[in-house]
Amino acid sequence: AQSVTQLGSHVSVSEGALVLLRCNYSSSVPPYLFWYVQYPNQGLQLLLKYTSAATLVKGINGFEAEFKKSETSFHLTKPSAHMSDAAEYFCAVSEKTSYGKLTFGQGTILTVHP
Amino acid sequence: NAGVTQTPKFQVLKTGQSMTLQCAQDMNHEYMSWYRQDPGMGLRLIHYSVGAGITDQGEVPNGYNVSRSTTEDFPLRLLSAAPSQTSVYFCASRTTTSGIFNSGANVLTFGAGSRLTVL
Repeated sequence: AQSVTQLGSHVSVSEGALVLLRCNYSSSVPPYLFWYVQYPNQGLQLLLKYTSAATLVKGINGFEAEFKKSETSFHLTKPSAHMSDAAEYFCAVSEKTSYGKLTFGQGTILTVHP
Repeated sequence: NAGVTQTPKFQVLKTGQSMTLQCAQDMNHEYMSWYRQDPGMGLRLIHYSVGAGITDQGEVPNGYNVSRSTTEDFPLRLLSAAPSQTSVYFCASRTTTSGIFNSGANVLTFGAGSRLTVL
């Protein structure tokens, strides 16, 4: 069985500060990993994905994440937060099969202060 | 492209009533799924389908039925609504095709959500 743990249900940063959202996963087989973002009253949008190519993955809006197999982690970072980054972020894992189900973490709400 | 379309966006039900949440996609995706989102619990998989005529249960299937008669549509039925089913429901789909020309490996496209309140 696969699972995802996001450390910290709420993260607050100042505009221009580093954003770090933590994600740890467990999976019996090498997984695909994803970060999704949800803006208020909207559906989820894909930020980035890891599918076993480069371990450092760059996504949209300046976000990136690094797959660390030894730590079973896939933390999301952005060097400089912007007010528009305020949203809820979800880490997710799926098996590398055509019919792999996606399992989501609990979500982290990011607040950006002026 | 419309992507994934969910209706209705909002619905209020009384306990015991039944209703169907509609989901349609125009991307010819084989895989479709329903999730519910509750505060602090992320998204939990209710049911999924890998093609017309094929459905299976996810993590929280009790109280919900699905069917998949066409590739495009994947309705979610609540037979007898309960307050515990108050939630935001998301439909999501993806292709199951893999290969060098497919950069969307396991990437879900989500609908905008349906907010259901059961009184």
